[in-house]
Amino acid sequence: DTAVSQTPKYLVTQMGNDKSIKCEQNLGHDTMYWYKQDSKKFLKIMFSYNNKELIINETVPNRFSPKSPDKAHLNLHINSLELGDSAVYFCASTNYLGGHEAFFGQGTRLTVV
Amino acid sequence: QQQVKQSPQSLIVQKGGIPIINCAYENTAFDYFPWYQQFPGKGPALLIAIRPDVSEKKEGRFTISFNKSAKQFSLHIMDSQPGDSATYFCAASEGSNYQLIWGAGTKLIIKP
Repeated sequence: DTAVSQTPKYLVTQMGNDKSIKCEQNLGHDTMYWYKQDSKKFLKIMFSYNNKELIINETVPNRFSPKSPDKAHLNLHINSLELGDSAVYFCASTNYLGGHEAFFGQGTRLTVV
Repeated sequence: QQQVKQSPQSLIVQKGGIPIINCAYENTAFDYFPWYQQFPGKGPALLIAIRPDVSEKKEGRFTISFNKSAKQFSLHIMDSQPGDSATYFCAASEGSNYQLIWGAGTKLIIKP
């Protein structure tokens, strides 16, 4: 039973399009994250979000917006996609009360052409 | 001050050798230091973690050594196997702020 699941696993799209990546966790965690991993494997946190607070990494363009319909879901919407947005995007979750361990999804490889 | 510096960027070791990956930090308020392992096509997964009240923690073939005065910690893999080939990330966090500060990653290859 997958703890953190993302869809789709692969996404190929043209520049200028708008796309969304979905994430769901069944761990009962209260904090979820979006990370961007570039071609050099560097992990960059984009957002952290719980039902009380959204923390945005100030270096993330405002074309990126997280949307959380409920505590178990955190989707990432990207407007006006650019070539530089090509990367692997990971969703993760932690339990604020239970410890620091972050559980990651399997990633979404986004390719903008 | 929030950075975690990881080295080397890549490492090749023969099977049975002991790869060592090092990390250094500046923020003395950090109190949790995990290592994550990432296989190709997968998300990172927690491997082992340490808090600064101990100098070493061992889980199976994986050991974290922690030097509080030097603000450094390292991962050692004993009797390394080709299946250990992966990218390894160190990280750190502070108190109730569960946001992890990540190292840049080390791509480890264990040759048969």
